[in-house]
Amino acid sequence: DVKVTQSSRYLVKRTGEKVFLECVQDMDHENMFWYRQDPGLGLRLIYFSYDVKMKEKGDIPEGYSVSREKKERFSLILESASTNQTSMYLCASSLLPSGGALDTQYFGPGTRLTVL
Amino acid sequence: AQKVTQAQTEISVVEKEDVTLDCVYETRDTTYYLFWYKQPPSGELVFLIRRNSFDEQNEISGRYSWNFQKSTSSFNFTITASQVVDSAVYFCALSELGPNTGNQFYFGTGTSLTVIP
Repeated sequence: DVKVTQSSRYLVKRTGEKVFLECVQDMDHENMFWYRQDPGLGLRLIYFSYDVKMKEKGDIPEGYSVSREKKERFSLILESASTNQTSMYLCASSLLPSGGALDTQYFGPGTRLTVL
Repeated sequence: AQKVTQAQTEISVVEKEDVTLDCVYETRDTTYYLFWYKQPPSGELVFLIRRNSFDEQNEISGRYSWNFQKSTSSFNFTITASQVVDSAVYFCALSELGPNTGNQFYFGTGTSLTVIP
């Protein structure tokens, strides 16, 4: 079974703090993704990575950055957290190379981030 | 324009009733995949099914069945004899080959299903 884990289920931070969300997958998947989920908006892609040290912007990258130093780990960074970044953050991974178009994505349990 | 439309925002049914969740998609590609995911209250999206654009056979898995119709660009999901454990948010998704690799996975906005005991 694919296992995608996220470092925290719940996180509370203050405006202006630097926030790190960690995601680890244990199935040697090539691609990793960060989404945020908000009521009525579904899932929106923030960034994805198709290889170590490679990253691509998704639909809503503003205010976020990512890091993928190792294949199994993909970090989402909020450089200066703001209240409008309060959301559920979901990490996913998929196997096939070159971004994984057409491939199934497997999700972690999510991190519910609250920025005060 | 939405690539994946789930018009039903919320549905409530009484236990043991059948329920169909609608999904309509939009693509110009001939090669694409459609997915359904379940998100229970715990939050994790659980993969349910993947179908490719060349296979229009309906699929049944226990109480779950999926009806794929290219003519209407729909991929509907039916739960037969619903149970309380089916209460969740269900997402339909489309993945297509496009000019850019990777960023071609589109989710609908989800349908929240509540099964009342």
